[in-house]
Parts: sequence; C-alpha cells; structure tokens
Amino acid sequence: AQKVTQAQTEISVVEKEDVTLDCVYETRDTTYYLFWYKQPPSGELVFLIRRNSFDEQNEISGRYSWNFQKSTSSFNFTITASQVVDSAVYFCALNSGAGSYQLTFGKGTKLSVIP
Amino acid sequence: NAGVMQNPRHLVRRRGQEARLRCSPMKGHSHVYWYRQLPEEGLKFMVYLQKENIIDESGMPKERFSAEFPKEGPSILRIQQVVRGDSAAYFCASSGDVDNSPLHFGNGTRLTVT
Repeated sequence: AQKVTQAQTEISVVEKEDVTLDCVYETRDTTYYLFWYKQPPSGELVFLIRRNSFDEQNEISGRYSWNFQKSTSSFNFTITASQVVDSAVYFCALNSGAGSYQLTFGKGTKLSVIP
Repeated sequence: NAGVMQNPRHLVRRRGQEARLRCSPMKGHSHVYWYRQLPEEGLKFMVYLQKENIIDESGMPKERFSAEFPKEGPSILRIQQVVRGDSAAYFCASSGDVDNSPLHFGNGTRLTVT
C-alpha cells in the first residue's frame, strides 16, 4: 500500500520568511517517484518537481529547494524568502513501481504568505 | 505549446442531470488520466486511458461514471444522474510515452450539483 502524509494542514508565514513543507511517504517498492505540485487560488495544478528513488541529491531551483531522505522516507520542500505569490496549496505525491502511473497524493498543505 | 485543456471550467447541474467533462491532452501526449478532488482533500485517481482504450478504471465509481478517449477528439468523463456527492473538482492530466513521465494537469472542471 502507498501513502503520502502531509502533516501540516495550514501554515502562515510573513513575507520573506523561509518555510518548509513536510512530506512523509510509505511504499514497499524500491523504485518510485516523488512529486510536488502547487495549486494556487485560481485552482490549476502546477508541476514543480519529480525525483526518483535512486537519486537522493537535494535540488535547488531559485527560491525552492527539496530535501529527499530515504532513511526517514521524507521529501521536504523549502521556500526561502517567501513571497505573497507563493500562497497556494502544495501537494506531495508518490508514484511507485516500475511502469506505474497512478499518483497517490497527500492531502495538501495550505501556505499563506502575509505581506 | 498549449497545455492540457479542460472545459468547461465550471459546470452546474441539478440532481439527476448528466455532466460531460472534456479534456484535450498536451500536444504529443497519448496518455490521459482523470482525477477527482473532493473539498479539502488531495486528488484521487479515477481512470487511465489511451486512444480508444481504457487501461485502468480501478478508481471509477461502479455506477453512473464512464470515460472515453476516442480516436479523434477530446477525452470525455461522463457522469449520469448526478448527485450532490459528485460535486468536486475533476482534473485531467496527460503524459508522454516514457515510463513515469510527469503528469501535466489541466485547470480542472469544478462541478457543482444543486
């Protein structure tokens, strides 16, 4: 069985603060992929990143960074110097098993960045 | 380079009516997926289709829901005799042929059943 847990339901930060969104996953497969999606208030889903289970290197893209740790089954997402435009619901998702296509989503973390 | 196109963006139906949701995948993508997002919930997989074939419909409710992806035209998710519990956002996604290639989602159709 696969499961994705995003324990933080809602987070509020003041603009320019750093914020980390937690994601813990469960899977029995040794091959899997992890994703983050952003859902702004307008409702669309925006793909942010995909990582495979064999690559534990952390990734940085501008103000976004991701910390993948297999030892703790976590794939956390950090936004540095947050901006109001970062306000959105962020979903972590898991896709496991070779050739698999079903994404298992967490329930999302609603981030509010206050000016 | 258009993304995944879904229409309508918002759909209101009375109980008992039919809802038809349309999805055109990204150019070059031949795999289409439908997901449903209930209020305050993450997305749940419904069905996976390729042209003229349903590959996996394990997430579809057993009754009233159907999906197709014809040789020509968009994919259609059809809900017959809608009930209030069908109110949700329905997202379509598409992907390329590479295993585990990222799913790119459309803007969703928000169905409200009154």
